[in-house]
Amino acid sequence: AQTVTQSQPEMSVQEAETVTLSCTYDTSESDYYLFWYKQPPSRQMILVIRQEAYKQQNATENRFSVNFQKAAKSFSLKISDSQLGDAAMYFCAYRSTYYGGATNKLIFGTGTLLAVQP
Amino acid sequence: ETGVTQTPRHLVMGMTNKKSLKCEQHLGHNAMYWYKQSAKKPLELMFVYNFKEQTENNSVPSRFSPECPNSSHLFLHLHTLQPEDSALYLCASSLVLAANTEAFFGQGTRLTVV
Repeated sequence: AQTVTQSQPEMSVQEAETVTLSCTYDTSESDYYLFWYKQPPSRQMILVIRQEAYKQQNATENRFSVNFQKAAKSFSLKISDSQLGDAAMYFCAYRSTYYGGATNKLIFGTGTLLAVQP
Repeated sequence: ETGVTQTPRHLVMGMTNKKSLKCEQHLGHNAMYWYKQSAKKPLELMFVYNFKEQTENNSVPSRFSPECPNSSHLFLHLHTLQPEDSALYLCASSLVLAANTEAFFGQGTRLTVV
């Protein structure tokens, strides 16, 4: 079974600075997708960025980028020029591409609570 | 707004009560999910429905009973719950057979069992 581990329960960053959130995962599959979701105090989870395992190029979305190390099974999120609105819980998630059970389920880590200091 | 709506936002119920959580999406998705979110624990997948058929029950106690009358609506019927069932219950939807696409989440129902 796949697992996702986020070893940083809480992180803090100064506004305009850069922060990196860590995520590792365990799988025997070769093809899968990885996601970072953000959950602000409003509680609604929204997608920040996604990475396809068979793509070596790291995904980037504006101030958000990932460092995907497939061999190390590592998928960290870098937030550049941090803003107050980035304060939220961040979840790393894994999704298999194999449809044996056709469940399409997302497997989540425990989350990292990011505080942004003005 | 992500297009997934959950009601109610907050619910307090006694252990002998029966209540239902509702989830609705009009995104054209054909897979719907219930997740349980407790403090300091990973989001726990509870149930998965693909094309209105339940495809996964993650060893959830029978006091939680899901219902999916159509691809747009998902319910979670609750009865004789325990205090440890207090949590945030999240509904999500996505497209089946499209692992690269994101799942959209509702704002959740904060459930307190007293």
